Amino acid sequence: QKEVEQNSGPLSVPEGAIASLNCTYSDRGSQSFFWYRQYSGKSPELIMFIYSNGDKEDGRFTAQLNKASQYVSLLIRDSQPSDSATYLCAVKNTNAGKSTFGDGTTLTVKP
Amino acid sequence: DTAVSQTPKYLVTQMGNDKSIKCEQNLGHDTMYWYKQDSKKFLKIMFSYNNKELIINETVPNRFSPKSPDKAHLNLHINSLELGDSAVYFCASSQVGSSYNSPLHFGNGTRLTVT
Repeated sequence: QKEVEQNSGPLSVPEGAIASLNCTYSDRGSQSFFWYRQYSGKSPELIMFIYSNGDKEDGRFTAQLNKASQYVSLLIRDSQPSDSATYLCAVKNTNAGKSTFGDGTTLTVKP
Repeated sequence: DTAVSQTPKYLVTQMGNDKSIKCEQNLGHDTMYWYKQDSKKFLKIMFSYNNKELIINETVPNRFSPKSPDKAHLNLHINSLELGDSAVYFCASSQVGSSYNSPLHFGNGTRLTVT
């Protein structure tokens, strides 16, 4: 079993729709959870982080965390073509001192 | 005022050669990392240094040797390059300290092609 698993893509949604990206993790000692966006040929950039159970909203993005289910998700409302990218879920165990990434989900938003 | 800069951006070389990638960060972070991203976009940590001390050394061939002369610099030297070393190598930094929310700040990557 992979340490961090993301829903297999690619994911395609029409412009204006909600895109839902999911991630599960195996390390119950994980403390922080990050979503990064990576455009083709570019480096990953942070979108959001979350560390408490529940929802965290930032503009069109909402991160959801359920530690009991070891599940974290990212919702993108009113999806735009500029949101087309690969989204990477990263899970951090501070004791281990490292962030472990999932395989990524490629999102395409069609105009 | 690039935050994390790495050079070179592209590196094309032949099998058996030795090459180095350099990384510098001006964010004042205490921890630096090397990640390898393969053709399927999977990012895997290789090494991590905290204040010049090696703290993470994943299962990486000993042909790869990181060096951190100070906390703002982390270099990666690769000996006897192999075809399977072809990938994009990302340097990253973060401020670990006592905050567990510190995200990674990535450099622009070095695309290594071994022929």
